[in-house]
Amino acid sequence: AQSVTQPDIHITVSEGASLELRCNYSYGATPYLFWYVQSPGQGLQLLLKYFSGDTLVQGIKGFEAEFKRSQSSFNLRKPSVHWSDAAEYFCAVGPRNTGFQKLVFGTGTRLLVSP
Amino acid sequence: SQTIHQWPATLVQPVGSPLSLECTVEGTSNPNLYWYRQAAGRGLQLLFYSVGIGQISSEVPQNLSASRPQDRQFILSSKKLLLSDSGFYLCAGKTGGSTDTQYFGPGTRLTVL
Repeated sequence: AQSVTQPDIHITVSEGASLELRCNYSYGATPYLFWYVQSPGQGLQLLLKYFSGDTLVQGIKGFEAEFKRSQSSFNLRKPSVHWSDAAEYFCAVGPRNTGFQKLVFGTGTRLLVSP
Repeated sequence: SQTIHQWPATLVQPVGSPLSLECTVEGTSNPNLYWYRQAAGRGLQLLFYSVGIGQISSEVPQNLSASRPQDRQFILSSKKLLLSDSGFYLCAGKTGGSTDTQYFGPGTRLTVL
């Protein structure tokens, strides 16, 4: 069955420190991969996505993620965290080559930023 | 680019009452539309999706239903709400081919008392 695992429910990072959020997936084939961010009480905003090509993808707000096929991972990173990055982050996977896109989401990682 | 609108933003309803949540899409035509529910600590669960007017597919059996009366309108309904229907409901839309992405609305917080 398709699944996405975000092993860290909560992460606290000091402002200015680096960040890595983990995402592992189980899928029948190499999927499309996404990271979304959700501020409290808000909808989801797409941070970045991987479809093909360079396995290191750049997103908005200074985030990047690296697709590692051998590890079935798509970890999100940021070199220096800002207080405004405090939010919940969701990793998602979806099928290739179909118009309909059924995404499977992880349970999310809540990021807290300490001063 | 497309924009997803949802209303109401918050809703408090008694058990057994009906429900109607509306989602409209702006800036595109013939989108795929999705309803998700987000419960605390459980990520997003896909409830329904639609690839066109009148075409609804259900992912999870429950007392909710969905309809798509117009190309850019997607409605989530219930005849009788349960306590377990409480949650944050998100509508999403996607256009184009397989490499397009889903864009989400701001969500509706539903509390059933």
